[in-house]
Amino acid sequence: NAGVTQTPKFRVLKTGQSMTLLCAQDMNHEYMYWYRQDPGMGLRLIHYSVGEGTTAKGEVPDGYNVSRLKKQNFLLGLESAAPSQTSVYFCASSYATGGSGYTFGSGTRLTVV
Amino acid sequence: TQLLEQSPQFLSIQEGENLTVYCNSSSVFSSLQWYRQEPGEGPVLLVTVVTGGEVKKLKRLTFQFGDARKDSSLHITAAQPGDTGLYLCAGEETNAGKSTFGDGTTLTVKP
Repeated sequence: NAGVTQTPKFRVLKTGQSMTLLCAQDMNHEYMYWYRQDPGMGLRLIHYSVGEGTTAKGEVPDGYNVSRLKKQNFLLGLESAAPSQTSVYFCASSYATGGSGYTFGSGTRLTVV
Repeated sequence: TQLLEQSPQFLSIQEGENLTVYCNSSSVFSSLQWYRQEPGEGPVLLVTVVTGGEVKKLKRLTFQFGDARKDSSLHITAAQPGDTGLYLCAGEETNAGKSTFGDGTTLTVKP
């Protein structure tokens, strides 16, 4: 099993450009999440989804949009990239809540110049 | 305000030593997870604890969930260089549908 696959692995954007990060999971998980990880600030939740066709805001949603059109995919969009969005982005999925734990992808390192 | 406080933030020890890291909160969690993350990779789940007072062992790692389900500890016996990494705890409040992560403890085990 591939688990959780994130593409791309690295990207450099200019301020104001847009892009979409793709997350795909092959474990038939209901729940999917997008986190960003910055030095000294841990993992912060951007948006999440509790099932196909649903999305919800997390702790730091501003400047990002998401879509979950298919159960296996969760897309994270940056409409107009800013240097403050330079970070490592992690996608995760879980079978259910209540202690099943998350399976993470290997991350996307994004630099906005 | 950080919901989950992890301590210490950094820990550097010699191979063979024992250590304990902590995860504390004022909130009650329905479950708590521990993850280990290596550079350039995503976090990997080590264990989930769900019952107050629960103790789980994974080889040389012992995890404990506080009686009130507000805190947890991770104890490593006879640490090895392969234990080096960032240890993260994550808690899920009842019916939240999502977990909150602590900032992590960076562990370095020197040969």
